[in-house]
Amino acid sequence: GDSVTQMEGPVTLSEEAFLTINCTYTATGYPSLFWYVQYPGEGLQLLLKATKADDKGSNKGFEATYRKETTSFHLEKGSVQVSDSAVYFCALNAYDKVIFGPGTSLSVIP
Amino acid sequence: EPEVTQTPSHQVTQMGQEVILRCVPISNHLYFYWYRQILGQKVEFLVSFYNNEISEKSEIFDDQFSVERPDGSNFTLKIRSTKLEDSAMYFCASSESAGGRETQYFGPGTRLLVL
Repeated sequence: GDSVTQMEGPVTLSEEAFLTINCTYTATGYPSLFWYVQYPGEGLQLLLKATKADDKGSNKGFEATYRKETTSFHLEKGSVQVSDSAVYFCALNAYDKVIFGPGTSLSVIP
Repeated sequence: EPEVTQTPSHQVTQMGQEVILRCVPISNHLYFYWYRQILGQKVEFLVSFYNNEISEKSEIFDDQFSVERPDGSNFTLKIRSTKLEDSAMYFCASSESAGGRETQYFGPGTRLLVL
């Protein structure tokens, strides 16, 4: 069945460091891919998405490119801030439901 | 910007009691969903709902669970007889249509604690 794998955390970075969170997926067909973010004590917010191969989703300095050949959708940010501390979920839309990866906890220290 | 809302934000209940979690999806959306997240674990799909019928449900969504759209705006999840293992964050989501390219928008969640 469809699934999403992402790098295990927790990840701790210093402010202004470069961030990469790896995500790979298995799916039949060509699903849309998403990154959702969950700030402490809050719900799931859509961070960015890409709907087809080679699309790049971007928002708030975060980017991810839909790579069909490697079935990947890695999340990157050039310079993280303390306010980026959260759990990040890679996900795909399997037609009638969203399948989430296990989440990666990011802590950014000043 | 339109958003999905959920009430209550927190609910504490005794084992065996019934709970109803409420959601107001985005107004022009036609597809509705419930997910849950047990503390520290991944978000899991429970059920999808369209045109007053369940479209798909997971193995988690057993006879103790039911969903309903009682009026034109609310979408509810009922747990008939709660168990300790039902303690989780429950998220409602909605989308304009179904299909692999659609974006589901999530509410802030209801944290359910069963004692």
